[in-house]
Amino acid sequence: EIVPTQSPATLSLSPGERATLSCRASQSVSTYLAWYQQKPGQAPRLLIYDASIRATGIPARFSGSGSGTDFTLTISSLEPEDFAVYYCQQRSNWLLTFGGGTKVEIK
Amino acid sequence: QVQLQESGPGLVKPSETLSLTCTVSDGSISNHYWSWIRQPPGKTLEWIAYISYSGGPKYNPSLKSRVTISVDASKSQFSLKLTSVTAADTAVYYCAKLMVRGVTPWYFDYWGQGTLVTVSS
Repeated sequence: EIVPTQSPATLSLSPGERATLSCRASQSVSTYLAWYQQKPGQAPRLLIYDASIRATGIPARFSGSGSGTDFTLTISSLEPEDFAVYYCQQRSNWLLTFGGGTKVEIK
Repeated sequence: QVQLQESGPGLVKPSETLSLTCTVSDGSISNHYWSWIRQPPGKTLEWIAYISYSGGPKYNPSLKSRVTISVDASKSQFSLKLTSVTAADTAVYYCAKLMVRGVTPWYFDYWGQGTLVTVSS
């Protein structure tokens, strides 16, 4: 299936801790992968594109890495406003697909 | 910066056609790719279709037989029609702008606030 796989499904952490989220693409996508943040009742927001480039206005505590099929989103020190659901997104031919999401919740 | 706003009925009867419109605020509709994405309650995001003013549409194969996306540059709007809806089509529907890498639309960089469409009799 042409859908990226995210892990873990839920991450329980405290403010100030480091969060590491994983995304495995269904096939090699080079570095063409994005990360989005979604808070309850809001539209997703683009955080990272091309695997490691922060979108406009995104704080430096968010970083992305990886290439090929394995990618990581790291939040260096969780702020209260970072507790949300995070999605990765890939493109395969013309099909754009999202992973199932990782919920970062307060421990 | 570009702003997008969805509009359309919040309730559609089964077997009928869901119709939504997205209005683009800054007059840039002729210069970019535009898309619809949906999210059923409690589930992940599903890309539906995208289009540009000068290019043909692309559809998610899982919905292609029921979906039409179109653009009206004179109104700064693009639209979605989804026919023969069922309860499985109940979702928040988002319109979004696509960021191009090279010549290919790849990422969703601006989103509307979303509109909940419920399919029910």
